[in-house]
Amino acid sequence: TQLLEQSPQFLSIQEGENLTVYCNSSSVFSSLQWYRQEPGEGPVLLVTVVTGGEVKKLKRLTFQFGDARKDSSLHITAAQPGDTGLYLCAGVGSNYQLIWGAGTKLIIKP
Amino acid sequence: DAGVIQSPRHEVTEMGQEVTLRCKPISGHNSLFWYRQTMMRGLELLIYFNNNVPIDDSGMPEDRFSAKMPNASFSTLKIQPSEPRDSAVYFCASRPGTDKGQPQHFGDGTRLSIL
Repeated sequence: TQLLEQSPQFLSIQEGENLTVYCNSSSVFSSLQWYRQEPGEGPVLLVTVVTGGEVKKLKRLTFQFGDARKDSSLHITAAQPGDTGLYLCAGVGSNYQLIWGAGTKLIIKP
Repeated sequence: DAGVIQSPRHEVTEMGQEVTLRCKPISGHNSLFWYRQTMMRGLELLIYFNNNVPIDDSGMPEDRFSAKMPNASFSTLKIQPSEPRDSAVYFCASRPGTDKGQPQHFGDGTRLSIL
């Protein structure tokens, strides 16, 4: 069974600080997706990383896929209140299903 | 373009009642997923349809849950009889094809409360 452990589960920081969210597994994924979910809405795709070692940037968000394609990280620089939300990673596994992390609830205080 | 549309947005009902959740996927998407999200268990896949055919319903909790997709533009998730432990947010998502690397597009969910 493929599992994806996401940490931290909860993070509350001040505006302007940096943070990193991690997704780790003992399994290899063909690609990994990051979603953000805001209250009262469904998850929305932010980025997909495909190649081992790949780094993608989305404004102040930097996504990295591990060399072995077993782990990924999301780094936010100078966090802003608009970054508040639930961040979910999802690994594309060996079958049709996405393997979902438990999510990181992020609160950015003004 | 219209996204995935779910109804109702909120449902409050008493234990034992039948509950029907509805989903309209994005036009042209032939994969459809029903999920349940709770604080304790996160996002759980309940059932996956491809071209209106249920491919895997192993995530459906028990016989009280059933799902149908009578055509490409409509799916339902039914709970009968409902129980308080079914309280959760239920999401429908669609995907353009069978490529599991393609992103899933989620509706805004139905928040279900069973009293």
